[in-house]
Amino acid sequence: DAGVIQSPRHEVTEMGQEVTLRCKPISGHNSLFWYRQTMMRGLELLIYFNNNVPIDDSGMPEDRFSAKMPNASFSTLKIQPSEPRDSAVYFCASREQGGEPQHFGDGTRLSIL
Amino acid sequence: EDKVVQSPLSLVVHEGDTVTLNCSYEVTNFRSLLWYKQEKKAPTFLFMLTSSGIEKKSGRLSSILDKKELFSILNITATQTGDSAVYLCAVEIQGAQKLVFGQGTRLTINP
Repeated sequence: DAGVIQSPRHEVTEMGQEVTLRCKPISGHNSLFWYRQTMMRGLELLIYFNNNVPIDDSGMPEDRFSAKMPNASFSTLKIQPSEPRDSAVYFCASREQGGEPQHFGDGTRLSIL
Repeated sequence: EDKVVQSPLSLVVHEGDTVTLNCSYEVTNFRSLLWYKQEKKAPTFLFMLTSSGIEKKSGRLSSILDKKELFSILNITATQTGDSAVYLCAVEIQGAQKLVFGQGTRLTINP
């Protein structure tokens, strides 16, 4: 079975540019989560969706960050404009329903110069 | 504030040793505790624990939860170099669906 698929795997761009990260959850999973992982702060939840609807975006650091889920098989996380402190690994995870474990994608390693 | 604390942060042992990783938590409304293993890429799911005192086992790995003392341990017996990874503990908050992660324990198994 295909797991959670994220793209791109790596992104290097200059500050001020727009960055779009993509995620395809596991088919049949109703919840999707975006996380950021840094050495200093570990894994932090940014936002999650249930049935394509954003439920909790309290972890989104600033207005520069936005996330969408236009359908059950696709989500994007956008940063505009990007800053060097946004450099991190961004993970997407999905799960079938409450009470089940979340399954993670391989992440996007983002470097903002 | 919901908090998950893991110890030790780093551990180096020899192949064949047994290790115990610790996870304690303080959360408003506990639903479950999960262990993940993270090598170079995605955290991969190991165990989900919801009830106290019931050991979950998978090969050389096992885990148990104590909801009275608010902690869990992950045991690995007869360690192998392939067990080298960061082990993450996370707690799911009831009603909120989100996971709160600990800092992780970086385990290194030397041959």
